[in-house]
Amino acid sequence: AQSVAQPEDQVNVAEGNPLTVKCTYSVSGNPYLFWYVQYPNRGLQFLLKYITGDNLVKGSYGFEAEFNKSQTSFHLKKPSALVSDSALYFCAVRDSGGNKLTFGTGTQLKVEL
Amino acid sequence: DAGITQSPRYKITETGRQVTLMCHQTWSHSYMFWYRQDLGHGLRLIYYSAAADITDKGEVPDGYVVSRSKTENFPLTLESATRSQTSVYFCASRGGQGEYEQYFGPGTRLTVT
Repeated sequence: AQSVAQPEDQVNVAEGNPLTVKCTYSVSGNPYLFWYVQYPNRGLQFLLKYITGDNLVKGSYGFEAEFNKSQTSFHLKKPSALVSDSALYFCAVRDSGGNKLTFGTGTQLKVEL
Repeated sequence: DAGITQSPRYKITETGRQVTLMCHQTWSHSYMFWYRQDLGHGLRLIYYSAAADITDKGEVPDGYVVSRSKTENFPLTLESATRSQTSVYFCASRGGQGEYEQYFGPGTRLTVT
């Protein structure tokens, strides 16, 4: 069975500072990894994905994520946080041979002035 | 371009009643998914469909029924609603081979009293 762990329920960071939201995964085959963001009372928006290739993936709004196969991690990063980045972030994984996405429980990011 | 829409956006119903949540996408995506979002659980897959007339169970299918007679529609029915089905329900869609990310609707907040 595939699974995702987001070990932090909440991450607080000052505006302008770098941010990291952690994600580790477990999957039987090659992983397809995703990050989504959810603003209040909205659906999930796709940020970025890792399918294959370069371990550093760049996505929307200046976010990037680093795939680390040995540590089974896919941490989300941004060099300089904005207050508008405050939202709920979800990591998700699926096996390359499957159709089902498994989501983590989410990390609330709070960026303060 | 509507993308993916859900209706109703909010619904209050009583225990034991049947309720149907609608999902419509305009992209002709092959795959469609239903998730529920609950605090502490992230998103959990209820059912998904790979094409018209092809559906399969997800992680939490009990108490739910789906159908997909047309590619663009994927209704979710709670045959006899229970309080434990109070949740926010999200529909999502994805293209076929070679397309990886899912696109989410705005959600339906369902309260069962």
